[in-house]
Amino acid sequence: DVKVTQSSRYLVKRTGEKVFLECVQDMDHENMFWYRQDPGLGLRLIYFSYDVKMKEKGDIPEGYSVSREKKERFSLILESASTNQTSMYLCASSSALGNQPQHFGDGTRLSIL
Amino acid sequence: DAKTTQPPSMDCAEGRAANLPCNHSTISGNEYVYWYRQIHSQGPQYIIHGLKNNETNEMASLIITEDRKSSTLILPHATLRDTAVYYCIVRASGGYQKVTFGIGTKLQVIP
Repeated sequence: DVKVTQSSRYLVKRTGEKVFLECVQDMDHENMFWYRQDPGLGLRLIYFSYDVKMKEKGDIPEGYSVSREKKERFSLILESASTNQTSMYLCASSSALGNQPQHFGDGTRLSIL
Repeated sequence: DAKTTQPPSMDCAEGRAANLPCNHSTISGNEYVYWYRQIHSQGPQYIIHGLKNNETNEMASLIITEDRKSSTLILPHATLRDTAVYYCIVRASGGYQKVTFGIGTKLQVIP
C-alpha cells in the first residue's frame, strides 16, 4: 500500500512564526504535491515537485516555499505565518508513469493564532 | 480538464450496493476518470480509475459508459465506514497535473 505520511495531524502556531510541514512517501514516487483545502474553496495546489531539488509553483504559492532534498521527502515552509494561512494542508505523491493517481496523506490541520 | 457533475448527496442502506453516478459529457479522448473519497477530517483516499473499460479492485467497481460521457462507482456492500464525500474527477494522463475536486457526493450509509 502507498503510504504518504505527514508529520503532524494538528499544529498551532503564532503569527510571524516560520512553520515547517513535512511529508514523506514510501513508494519511490517522482512527483510530490502540497495542497491546501478550505471550505467552499476546495483543493488548491500550492507547489509541486517532479524530481529532487526541482519545484514548480502551483496556483497559490505566495507566502510559501518548498524543499525537496531527498526523493521521499517534500517540505512546505510558511516563511512568516499569517492568520489567513489557517487551513488543512494535504501532501500527495504520484508516479511519473502515465495515468497513475495521486495518493494523499491524512493532512495537517494548521491554526495560526 | 473536463468538468464533472455529481448529485450532492445520496443515502444507502448498510449491506446494499451503493451506486454513485458522475456525468462528464465533455471528456476528451486522453482523459481518465478517477474516484476519490474523503472521510471527515482525513485526507482524500484514492479508490479507482479507468479510461474506457470497466475496472474493479478490492474497494469498488467503476463502470464507464461506451460513449464515456458518464460513469458509476459501485461499492458492492456498503458499510458505515463508507460514509464519506465521494469525488469524481477527470484528468489527462500526466503525473504532475493537479487534482481538483468539485463538490462531490456526500454518501450517508444508514444502519
